[in-house]
Amino acid sequence: DGGITQSPKYLFRKEGQNVTLSCEQNLNHDAMYWYRQDPGQGLRLIYYSQIVNDFQKGDIAEGYSVSREKKESFPLTVTSAQKNPTAFYLCATADRGLINSPLHFGNGTRLTVT
Amino acid sequence: AQSVSQHNHHVILSEAASLELGCNYSYGGTVNLFWYVQYPGQHLQLLLKYFSGDPLVKGIKGFEAEFIKSKFSFNLRKPSVQWSDTAEYFCAVTINQAGTALIFGKGTTLSVSS
Repeated sequence: DGGITQSPKYLFRKEGQNVTLSCEQNLNHDAMYWYRQDPGQGLRLIYYSQIVNDFQKGDIAEGYSVSREKKESFPLTVTSAQKNPTAFYLCATADRGLINSPLHFGNGTRLTVT
Repeated sequence: AQSVSQHNHHVILSEAASLELGCNYSYGGTVNLFWYVQYPGQHLQLLLKYFSGDPLVKGIKGFEAEFIKSKFSFNLRKPSVQWSDTAEYFCAVTINQAGTALIFGKGTTLSVSS
């Protein structure tokens, strides 16, 4: 099946620990994105990557880091510097830019930090 | 920085009523505009998009949206809603002319009663 796999579905961490969320895609899409979805806040862009070994900060990049070593993978690390990390995280991909193709979303990872 | 405002947080309608959801954006240059929909328990999916040309665009399931440049608006409309239209609706705009990433509004929850 072609698609986007985000794992795990639920993740629990103690405050002060870094945690990495996985996003893998086999759609052969160039662009990958991380959004955070909070009730009443919509989707907020954390980081995005158009090609391998290149990525840009979105609106709320502070406290997060990413890497894009392979086309298929775009992991997101939530660091201890992120002040309010508990949220639903969505990974998305797009082929050939958003003007020509829609965003495809993964199932999301719900992170709870206590 | 780009921003998107959706004026209605929660809209409640009866079946067959007409729908209009407001969306305004902040960017003064060339924009690409989108409406995405998230049905309960499902991924976000593209409803319609505007890049250029006819400012009235038609999407799936009978939805349409009108781009009014002078008002920086891209309102979503449907003449007669159905119970199955119950969902959360997100307006989005590209962050630049190249369309490398999307900024989303906070979303409008539509509840349709039968």
